[in-house]
Amino acid sequence: AQSVTQLGSHVSVSEGALVLLRCNYSSSVPPYLFWYVQYPNQGLQLLLKYTSAATLVKGINGFEAEFKKSETSFHLTKPSAHMSDAAEYFCALNQAGTALIFGKGTTLSVSS
Amino acid sequence: DTAVSQTPKYLVTQMGNDKSIKCEQNLGHDTMYWYKQDSKKFLKIMFSYNNKELIINETVPNRFSPKSPDKAHLNLHINSLELGDSAVYFCASSQDYGGRGSPLHFGNGTRLTVT
Repeated sequence: AQSVTQLGSHVSVSEGALVLLRCNYSSSVPPYLFWYVQYPNQGLQLLLKYTSAATLVKGINGFEAEFKKSETSFHLTKPSAHMSDAAEYFCALNQAGTALIFGKGTTLSVSS
Repeated sequence: DTAVSQTPKYLVTQMGNDKSIKCEQNLGHDTMYWYKQDSKKFLKIMFSYNNKELIINETVPNRFSPKSPDKAHLNLHINSLELGDSAVYFCASSQDYGGRGSPLHFGNGTRLTVT
């Protein structure tokens, strides 16, 4: 069965520091992988997606993620955090014939 | 020109009542979804419609009934509301049905509070 595990329900960084949000997946076939961001009282917004074209995927707002098949990981990074990056981040997966399955989310806090 | 719009944004009601949430998308997408986000922010698929046909119906109580009058609309009707139904309900759409890398576009959610 397919699943998504986000390591760390809460990550705190200082403004300007590296952001690293971890996501591991389990899938019997190559999956499509996504990162979404949810700001307070809003819906989810797509940050980036992996569809097998390239293992390093660049998204909006300076975020990127690297697909590592050997580690079944799709970690999200940003070199320098901004206060505006504080939000809930979700890793998600789907494969043929299934709906999007989400991880439990990671709350990112950014302090000045 | 909102892509996926849901109404109402907030819904406060008493146990036992019946309520509906409406969703419309103007993206020309074929597939629409309802997701439930609980108090711990966990998102779970409830239903999915592709071209007005139900394709996903997860383990959801029969009190929840989706209706898709056309492929741009997917409404959610809930009968006999219970305290445990309190959550944020998100409507979403995608160009085609899952598994082809089509990202989902989400509405801003409906916060349902049952008292």
